[in-house]
Parts: sequence; structure tokens; C-alpha cells
Amino acid sequence: AAGVIQSPRHLIKEKRETATLKCYPIPRHDTVYWYQQGPGQDPQFLISFYEKMQSDKGSIPDRFSAQQFSDYHSELNMSSLELGDSALYFCASSPRDRKSRNQPQHFGDGTRLSIL
Amino acid sequence: DAKTTQPPSMDCAEGRAANLPCNHSTISGNEYVYWYRQIHSQGPQYIIHGLKNNETNEMASLIITEDRKSSTLILPHATLRDTAVYYCIVSSLTGFQKLVFGTGTRLLVSP
Repeated sequence: AAGVIQSPRHLIKEKRETATLKCYPIPRHDTVYWYQQGPGQDPQFLISFYEKMQSDKGSIPDRFSAQQFSDYHSELNMSSLELGDSALYFCASSPRDRKSRNQPQHFGDGTRLSIL
Repeated sequence: DAKTTQPPSMDCAEGRAANLPCNHSTISGNEYVYWYRQIHSQGPQYIIHGLKNNETNEMASLIITEDRKSSTLILPHATLRDTAVYYCIVSSLTGFQKLVFGTGTRLLVSP
């Protein structure tokens, strides 16, 4: 079965640079979630989108922004990168129709972002 | 969101059943119990979820107490590949179900 696709898998940037992470949800999944997992930490929710609109917001820095496109893929844009942004970034997707309200999120394999 | 409490680590012998407990004493009536696991640094993998009835799928069984204040994930025949961090998460039917990860249980399956 098709899974959540994230790209790139690995990304190396320097401080103050920008980065864009991409997420392609499972077909027919209209809700996308972004999570950040720092070294030795548990995943933390950043932001989610449903039907191209932001649906929830967690501990996402103001330097980060995200959007969802008409084909439901999502991009996480990160600017003025800091050393502390080094982490795994996971995207998850789920369906959102009325009959699927309790359907689980499925995660991609993540993007490992390293800031030098 | 309701909070969960899990033991930080557990050991299990290969081939034996692994029983992972979770306390969620403040769970509300419209919240499901979800279990995910994370193997090394891979993306969290969905295992199973339930509301109040026991559930079983090809991966595991979920036993939820009658008062819904605790649950147990059962891996019937643990293998070395089941070594992972297991997260018990409660999530509401309302809203967009962001997952709030706790510290999880690190399960080590040994030969």
C-alpha cells in the first residue's frame, strides 16, 4: 500500500539558511500533520492542515511556515535556521471525512535535517 | 489532551508475549486510545486503537479496562524486530487529532 512520502530524506544546511521539506500524503488522505523530533526526544506536534487550511498549531517557531496545496501535498518552510533546528521532521496523514474521524495517522520516514 | 503514563522500559524474551501497560486515568468519553511504536529513528508506526472494546489486529491486541482508565498492548509472540519505543496516546474525536507523544516504553526483546 502507498505510504506517506517525504523528501528529501536527509538535508544539511548552515545556520541562517532556509530549508523546504516536502510531504506527499497517502492517496485520499486530506489531512497532513508535521512533527519535530530532536535528538533523544519524543516527537512534538508542529502544525496540521485540512483542505489546504491550517487546522491546528503546536510549538512551531515563527521562523517556520507551512502550507498544503490543492493536491494535498504539504511543504514546511524553515528560515533563519539555527543549530537547535537539527532534528527529524515527520509528516503524517489521515482521512478526515465524517466516517473516518477516528482513523489513525500514518507517518512517513521523515527528513533528517542537520544544521552545521 | 489526556495524559498517559507508561513504564520507561521493559524486557521480553523472544517468542514470549509482551504486555505493555498504559495508564490514562483522565481519559474522557470521546477519546480513543492509540498505540504507536518507533523503531530506531524511523517514522512512528501505527499499531492499533480502541475506544472501549478490546481490539485485535494482525500486529497486536489492545485490552482496555471497563472504566477506560488503563489499557494493555499485547504482542503475542515478540520477535527481535519488535524492539522499539512504544507510545500510548489518547486523542479526541473532535478537532484534528494531533498526537501528543509522551516518553513511551522502550521494549527490548532479547534472544
